[in-house]
Amino acid sequence: GENVEQHPSTLSVQEGDSAVIKCTYSDSASNYFPWYKQELGKGPQLIIDIRSNVGEKKDQRIAVTLNKTAKHFSLHITETQPEDSAVYFCAAAGGTSYGKLTFGQGTILTVHP
Amino acid sequence: KAGVTQTPRYLIKTRGQQVTLSCSPISGHRSVSWYQQTPGQGLQFLFEYFSETQRNKGNFPGRFSGRQFSNSRSEMNVSTLELGDSALYLCASSGDSKRETQYFGPGTRLLVL
Repeated sequence: GENVEQHPSTLSVQEGDSAVIKCTYSDSASNYFPWYKQELGKGPQLIIDIRSNVGEKKDQRIAVTLNKTAKHFSLHITETQPEDSAVYFCAAAGGTSYGKLTFGQGTILTVHP
Repeated sequence: KAGVTQTPRYLIKTRGQQVTLSCSPISGHRSVSWYQQTPGQGLQFLFEYFSETQRNKGNFPGRFSGRQFSNSRSEMNVSTLELGDSALYLCASSGDSKRETQYFGPGTRLLVL
């Protein structure tokens, strides 16, 4: 089955800096890669997603890149703010597997004012 | 549109008991997926339902079961609870599940004593 590895497990940055979180996946049939942000006491919230026919996608301060050949994708957050502090999860899905997202282990992002 | 709702939000049970958790998807969504989140194992897929049929199942014992009703609401049941079943149980809904965005509810926090 699919396996998703996520790094780093913790990331500490100063406000205004950029943050990058990286994930690799194992199943070449995977074709959908969402990123979720989870705040304390809440469910994961989708922040951006990318499909395998696209190499990069941006939404304001957030961008995701996908390298299908290397089977890795990354989340980039620019001009970080304290409210960006949360746990971020990458995930992979696709092929014939209905409804199943395979998640990375998560990255605890702390943005210091 | 209202988001995904889950009830109850918190639950305390004792070993050997059974529990039923409920999930109401976003209006119009027909796919509901369930996940277990623990500090040690992260987010793990339990099962997915679409139009009242289970289409996919994760690697959990048979004590974990679910169902979906004609209005797309879903329930999951855990029988003979074990201490290790203590977790945040999340459900997510989507229009269809192969490559569409999954939107998560706030989760049900289950504590087994």
